[in-house]
Amino acid sequence: ETGVTQTPRHLVMGMTNKKSLKCEQHLGHNAMYWYKQSAKKPLELMFVYNFKEQTENNSVPSRFSPECPNSSHLFLHLHTLQPEDSALYLCASSQDVEAGGREQFFGPGTRLTVL
Amino acid sequence: KNQVEQSPQSLIILEGKNCTLQCNYTVSPFSNLRWYKQDTGRGPVSLTIMTFSENTKSNGRYTATLDADTKQSSLHITASQLSDSASYICVVNTGGFKTIFGAGTRLFVKA
Repeated sequence: ETGVTQTPRHLVMGMTNKKSLKCEQHLGHNAMYWYKQSAKKPLELMFVYNFKEQTENNSVPSRFSPECPNSSHLFLHLHTLQPEDSALYLCASSQDVEAGGREQFFGPGTRLTVL
Repeated sequence: KNQVEQSPQSLIILEGKNCTLQCNYTVSPFSNLRWYKQDTGRGPVSLTIMTFSENTKSNGRYTATLDADTKQSSLHITASQLSDSASYICVVNTGGFKTIFGAGTRLFVKA
């Protein structure tokens, strides 16, 4: 295990539903990330939090809303999603974002299906 | 435009054989390059990291090479095992948290 957990592992939701993805890291890291992984496409960075402050929003639609209450927890709130949002959502953490290329430790992901 | 391209897209080999995966990048500035392994149903796990001045880095049966002049990297897997079946992702860091991911090579090792 990498020390990063994600729940739920699988989620099926309708376009009008509201749901949340949860990520928790047990590594004492200060930076956390949300990525979207679609089939046969590179990972897409969505959000970055460093010391609980959002440092990156990579032009993500407002139907995705992140929340970082502390350095160990990260949420992704979902509402009125589209079928093309179906993907694997990966959470990652690293020591910080200051030094170049800190290793990121990934969780197992949440497989999201939007009907 | 910063890009990382990997080839082949997928590969099937017999257990015990060697294989080499390729990564070409057009990324600037360059900080370091990592290879990740992603098993089915799991998140990526770092295998190796190389900076500009490093040419080769090994991790057990995995050996990564880097040619910073031609902007190419390769990952060589020796004496493949069934557990090597996974996606291998090349990632280039441009500084801080800025990383460019390749789409990955899907490797299937058959008995």
